[in-house]
Amino acid sequence: KAGVTQTPRYLIKTRGQQVTLSCSPISGHRSVSWYQQTPGQGLQFLFEYFSETQRNKGNFPGRFSGRQFSNSRSEMNVSTLELGDSALYLCASSPEVGSNTEAFFGQGTRLTVV
Amino acid sequence: GDSVTQMEGPVTLSEEAFLTINCTYTATGYPSLFWYVQYPGEGLQLLLKATKADDKGSNKGFEATYRKETTSFHLEKGSVQVSDSAVYFCARKTSYDKVIFGPGTSLSVIP
Repeated sequence: KAGVTQTPRYLIKTRGQQVTLSCSPISGHRSVSWYQQTPGQGLQFLFEYFSETQRNKGNFPGRFSGRQFSNSRSEMNVSTLELGDSALYLCASSPEVGSNTEAFFGQGTRLTVV
Repeated sequence: GDSVTQMEGPVTLSEEAFLTINCTYTATGYPSLFWYVQYPGEGLQLLLKATKADDKGSNKGFEATYRKETTSFHLEKGSVQVSDSAVYFCARKTSYDKVIFGPGTSLSVIP
């Protein structure tokens, strides 16, 4: 079974631009969540989707948005990029709802804003 | 609110030394607990998990026991190898599939 796939692996963008990151969950997984990882803040939760609905959102500005498609694939978008948005963005999928199931993570997308 | 606390390190050990990384959590109820590992340049991999009190998770020589009375889930390994060098994250999951992570502990094992 293929794991969680994130594309692209690396991105370099300029301040003020926007970016879209993609995540394909493990086949059959319907929950997809996104995290931002930075040296200063660690791993922070962005949002979580289940069956195309955002169920949970972290404490990030409205420039960060996401969506999930009917095939469970998800995208996240960051508009008006700032230098502080440089980070590793991780996507995770879970097979079912509930706190007993582990989240399976992708390799991440390394975003650099210059 | 819900949180996960762990020793931040960095931790440097000699090969074959004993490893303990402390982790405590706050939560309502009894959440499932996880240890994830991140090797340089990679994403997160599940190392082990425990879903209820007194459960012991184990994998690749690592162990952690879910202690309800002390709200802890300390990670241990009896003899570390150079290949264990990585960052280790203690975590718990909420009912809405949000994972709450500790700050991570960087481990370096020297030959």
